[in-house]
Amino acid sequence: EAGVAQSPRYKIIEKRQSVAFWCNPISGHATLYWYQQILGQGPKLLIQFQNNGVVDDSQLPKDRFSAERLKGVDSTLKIQPAKLEDSAVYLCASSLGFGELFFGEGSRLTVL
Amino acid sequence: AQSVTQPDIHITVSEGASLELRCNYSYGATPYLFWYVQSPGQGLQLLLKYFSGDTLVQGIKGFEAEFKRSQSSFNLRKPSVHWSDAAEYFCAVRANQAGTALIFGKGTTLSVSS
Repeated sequence: EAGVAQSPRYKIIEKRQSVAFWCNPISGHATLYWYQQILGQGPKLLIQFQNNGVVDDSQLPKDRFSAERLKGVDSTLKIQPAKLEDSAVYLCASSLGFGELFFGEGSRLTVL
Repeated sequence: AQSVTQPDIHITVSEGASLELRCNYSYGATPYLFWYVQSPGQGLQLLLKYFSGDTLVQGIKGFEAEFKRSQSSFNLRKPSVHWSDAAEYFCAVRANQAGTALIFGKGTTLSVSS
């Protein structure tokens, strides 16, 4: 069974530039999550989708972050404009209802 | 709201010695509890989970964890640590409702000395 796919794995940008991350969840998983993991900290939930509807985006900095999940499958997380403090690993995960979360390998963002 | 505390930021254990990583959670009802491991540059891999039933849970790679409701704890243990166990370990809690997200602790870094 294919796992959660994310791209790109690494991205370096200047502050105030924009960046987008892509996630393809495990087939059939209705719930998709984006987490932000800053160095030395645990992952923090940014946004949760159920199919293509948003369940929780309370911790998403909506002035600069946006996310969408087209047709309830793939998802894109965008940051525009990026700030230095956005340097982090962005983890995508998917799950079936009550089950465990399956994580991708993450997209590491460095903002200079 | 749920929260997780991992009191130990960094632990060093000798290879072959036993290991216990501490985790305390805050949640009004019986939560779903998880331990994940993260190797450098990798995503998170599930070690074990507790939903209900037997409070001693067995996981992969020889790990186990015990849910203690009276102490709001879910400590991770391994009887004999291998050098390959060096990684970051995260405890996470989830409300017992379908489709809720995991709340993670800040993690414990495990170093293994020879």
